[in-house]
Amino acid sequence: AQTVTQSQPEMSVQEAETVTLSCTYDTSESDYYLFWYKQPPSRQMILVIRQEAYKQQNATENRFSVNFQKAAKSFSLKISDSQLGDAAMYFCAPFSARQLTFGSGTQLTVLP
Amino acid sequence: DGGITQSPKYLFRKEGQNVTLSCEQNLNHDAMYWYRQDPGQGLRLIYYSQIVNDFQKGDIAEGYSVSREKKESFPLTVTSAQKNPTAFYLCASSGGMAGDTDTQYFGPGTRLTVL
Repeated sequence: AQTVTQSQPEMSVQEAETVTLSCTYDTSESDYYLFWYKQPPSRQMILVIRQEAYKQQNATENRFSVNFQKAAKSFSLKISDSQLGDAAMYFCAPFSARQLTFGSGTQLTVLP
Repeated sequence: DGGITQSPKYLFRKEGQNVTLSCEQNLNHDAMYWYRQDPGQGLRLIYYSQIVNDFQKGDIAEGYSVSREKKESFPLTVTSAQKNPTAFYLCASSGGMAGDTDTQYFGPGTRLTVL
C-alpha cells in the first residue's frame, strides 16, 4: 500500500514570489509515476505536472517544476512567479500498481 | 470538445434510496475511475475499470456498485447500504497517447447530499 504525506496543510505566497510545497511518499514499487494536481474552488481536479520515477531529470511545466528525490521518496512542487489564479488546494499523488493515491492536500493562498 | 462529463452537478437523496451518478468520456480512454472526496481530505478510490465489462474494487467500495457496458460510460450507484454517502464524487479516465497512458483526467464532479 502507498502512503502520502503533505506536511503543510496551508501555505501562503506573495504574488510574483516563489513557493515550494512538500510531499513525501512510501511505496514498495520500483516503477511508478508521480503527479501534482490542483483543485481550485470550482473543485475540478486539474493536472499540474507529471514525473516518471525512472527519470532523473526533474519535470518542468512553465512556472511549475518539481524536485524529485527518489531515494528520499520526496516530491516537492515549486511554483515560480506566483499568480492569483494559482490559489487552490494542491494534491500530491503517486501512481503505482494501477492506483493513484492522494495526499491530504496543501491549501495555497496567493496574496496580492 | 473532448472531455469527461458528470451529471448531475448536485444530487439530493433521501435515506434508504439508491441513486446513480453518471460519468461519460469521449477521450477514447480505456480506463475509468470513481473517487470520493470528503471535506478537507484527499480523494479515495471507490472502483476502477481497465476495460469494458470488467471492474475492480478500490479502497472504499462497500455500499457502491458500478457497471461498464460501454467504453464511454462508467456509472456509479450509491446504494442504501452506504452509511454516510454525503460527499463529492469525482470520475476520471486514463489511457490516452502512448507515454501518457497512466495520467488521469477528471470530470467536474457531483455533489451528493443525503437529506
